[in-house]
Formats: sequence, C-alpha cells, structure tokens
Amino acid sequence: KQEVTQIPAALSVPEGENLVLNCSFTDSAIYNLQWFRQDPGKGLTSLLLIQSSQREQTSGRLNASLDKSSGRSTLYIAASQPGDSATYLCAVRNSGAGSYQLTFGKGTKLSVIP
Amino acid sequence: EAQVTQNPRYLITVTGKKLTVTCSQNMNHEYMSWYRQDPGLGLRQIYYSMNVEVTDKGDVPEGYKVSRKEKRNFPLILESPSPNQTSLYFCASSLLPANTGELFFGEGSRLTVL
Repeated sequence: KQEVTQIPAALSVPEGENLVLNCSFTDSAIYNLQWFRQDPGKGLTSLLLIQSSQREQTSGRLNASLDKSSGRSTLYIAASQPGDSATYLCAVRNSGAGSYQLTFGKGTKLSVIP
Repeated sequence: EAQVTQNPRYLITVTGKKLTVTCSQNMNHEYMSWYRQDPGLGLRQIYYSMNVEVTDKGDVPEGYKVSRKEKRNFPLILESPSPNQTSLYFCASSLLPANTGELFFGEGSRLTVL
C-alpha cells in the first residue's frame, strides 16, 4: 500500500528565505504527483502537477522536482513571503493495483515571518 | 468559471438522520472523488468514480454511499450518520490520468454529527 510522508510537519522561516519542502512515497508505480496549498478551513488549491515521465515543473516562484526511482519529490519556494504561509500537501496518483487512487501526505505547515 | 461546488458547506445533524452532500463540477471531468480530512490523519479517500455509473471504494468507505448518474454530479450519502463521521469533507474532480489528471477541489463541507 502506498504511503506518502512529508517532512518536516511544520516549518517557520523569515521572509525572503528560499525553502524546500520534502515529500517521499513508497511505491514508484505512479501516474503523477501533485502539490497543493491549503489555507485554514479552506479547500485545496493545486500548485504544480508532475507527470511520472517528467523531472520538474515550475510556476512563478515555485519549482517542484520528481525522482520517481527514489520515491521523492521536493517543492522549492524562492524568496518566501508572508502570503505563502499555509499547509502544503503532496499527493501521488497510484497506477498499480487500486488504480486511480490518490494518496496524500499529511502536509507541511509553513509559517513565513515578516 | 471552472469549479467544483459542494453543498452544504456546514451542517450539524444528529445520529441516524440520513443526509446527502452534493458535489457538482462544470469541467466535464470523468474522474470524481470524495475525501475526508481529520486532524492527525490527513486526507483519506472515501469513494471515487472514473465515469458515469462507475464507482469504487477508497480507503475509508464504511458508512458512506455514492452514485454517479450524471457526469457532473457525484453526491455523498450518509445513510445513518454516526459521531465518528464528524469531519471536513472534500469533493474533487479531474480528467483521467491519461490526460492531465490535475485534481480540482471544492471548498469543503464541514459536518458535525451529534
């Protein structure tokens, strides 16, 4: 069964710092991996989607990488801002038995201090 | 505007009183799914559907039913709610992984069962 782990569970950084969030998964049989942002009490907003054949995706100050063979993905946030404060979740879309199921990590809660 | 709409957003009910949470998407997505989010447990998949009349269990299907009679709608039915179903529920949709597979979420429905 796929397991997704996000470390650290919480992170606090001063404004302007570059930071990396980590996501690891146990089964490399995936269609894709998606990073989301969740603000308190709100739904999930998609940030980046990486297909299994891709190595990275970029959107503005965000860059996500995928190393499927080692079961790892990172989300790099450049020049962090207080508005980036939120919980960041990664999710993998499994392609093995139980196809199309999505498995989420528990998230990293990011606080960017002005 | 492309969106996933859930109703109701907030609901307080009593044990055993049947309820339905509706979910509708306007993006012509084949795939739809329900999740519940609980503190410390993260997001867990309840049911998913790959197309009309095609549904399957996720990780935590007990106590829930779904139906997919139309492509745009995927209601979640709690036939006899119990307090352990108190949670934040999310509906999501996407094209199938063979296309982009990017997952779009609704704003969430907070359910309290007394």
